Amino acid sequence: NAGVTQTPKFQVLKTGQSMTLQCAQDMNHEYMSWYRQDPGMGLRLIHYSVGAGITDQGEVPNGYNVSRSTTEDFPLRLLSAAPSQTSVYFCASTELGGTEKLFFGSGTQLSVL
Amino acid sequence: AQKITQTQPGMFVQEKEAVTLDCTYDTSDPSYGLFWYKQPSSGEMIFLIYQGSYDQQNATEGRYSLNFQKARKSANLVISASQLGDSAMYFCAMREGPSGSARQLTFGSGTQLTVLP
Repeated sequence: NAGVTQTPKFQVLKTGQSMTLQCAQDMNHEYMSWYRQDPGMGLRLIHYSVGAGITDQGEVPNGYNVSRSTTEDFPLRLLSAAPSQTSVYFCASTELGGTEKLFFGSGTQLSVL
Repeated sequence: AQKITQTQPGMFVQEKEAVTLDCTYDTSDPSYGLFWYKQPSSGEMIFLIYQGSYDQQNATEGRYSLNFQKARKSANLVISASQLGDSAMYFCAMREGPSGSARQLTFGSGTQLTVLP
């Protein structure tokens, strides 16, 4: 089982560049989400989705876009990267109506110079 | 106000002893869920245990138990018989509102646990 797959694992960007962090899950989970983890602050929710075509904002959505065209994929787009977006990004998924256990990807370490 | 507070940035425990990691939460919603996750140095997030606000008994999962004190709004994680592999960062998290389609979690800042041989 692949579970939740995130790519890339590491990325360095220059300020102003754009990029997409990929997230895919093979567990047919309806719910998918993106978190960022900064030192001393735990994880903070960026965006989430409860199904294809449905997305919503979390605690820290500014500077990020998402879309959910399929059940499997939930990409996170940085439109114009800023140094404040240097962080570790985690994608997580789970089923709705059953266990609340979140399945996390292995994370993407992003540095914006 | 912080929704999840973990007041112990770092903790040490001797191998084979029990350790309690503290977590207090703040919510006015009568329906909520409390979680603990483990993050080893490799970086992945591992689910440990879940407690629902209406659950009558404290949750247990193997060597992990959640000491749920609703009136005090605390959800401490107890690890029995600590092992060297338990050394990791531990995060407490909360889901507010009925579970339904809500899976959004608020995380605390974490406690770094070191198990000493």
